[in-house]
Amino acid sequence: EDQVTQSPEALRLQEGESSSLNCSYTVSGLRGLFWYRQDPGKGPEFLFTLYSAGEEKEKERLKATLTKKESFLHITAPKPEDSATYLCAVLYGGATNKLIFGTGTLLAVQP
Amino acid sequence: GAVVSQHPSWVICKSGTSVKIECRSLDFQATTMFWYRQFPKQSLMLMATSNEGSKATYEQGVEKDKFLINHASLTLSTLTVTSAHPEDSSFYICSAREFKLGRIGANVLTFGAGSRLTVL
Repeated sequence: EDQVTQSPEALRLQEGESSSLNCSYTVSGLRGLFWYRQDPGKGPEFLFTLYSAGEEKEKERLKATLTKKESFLHITAPKPEDSATYLCAVLYGGATNKLIFGTGTLLAVQP
Repeated sequence: GAVVSQHPSWVICKSGTSVKIECRSLDFQATTMFWYRQFPKQSLMLMATSNEGSKATYEQGVEKDKFLINHASLTLSTLTVTSAHPEDSSFYICSAREFKLGRIGANVLTFGAGSRLTVL
């Protein structure tokens, strides 16, 4: 069954304490893996797209990497404003435009 | 960048009434829009794919007569929750794809801010 799993479900960090979020996927024919940030009561905000194993993307304190089975979102020296739910989604060969979302990781960064 | 506007952002209605949610692409044309539903602490679940000028495609388990979708133009899709009941209370989010030449993954979905529906 096509599936996207994120871990941990929730993560609490101190400001400046770096960590990583995981997104594991089991789909046939990966066409793209997306990372989104979602604030409470808001729609997801696009962060990154990764297409193939070995690819990396960076944006400020965030860095996304991709292997054949999973993706990591590394957060370096996080700040309280990085607190949000981080969602990963997979675009796969079964359909051209459908995304399967993981359940997200709720990140809380304490000052 | 691409912007998707969703309205209303929140709505409270009585059981049995119908509620319409609008999704507009503000600065681009979207031949395809998607409607998602999200329960607290859960992932986004795709409900249906809305195609301009044709019938929507519903995901398995989604009642098409319950959730009416109309893609009236290249910039507007509406979701109407008919005869709403408390179990329909949820966060509804639309998204639109801005078509760009190149890799299909480059056609990033832009999401609206969501609509919180509470049915009393």
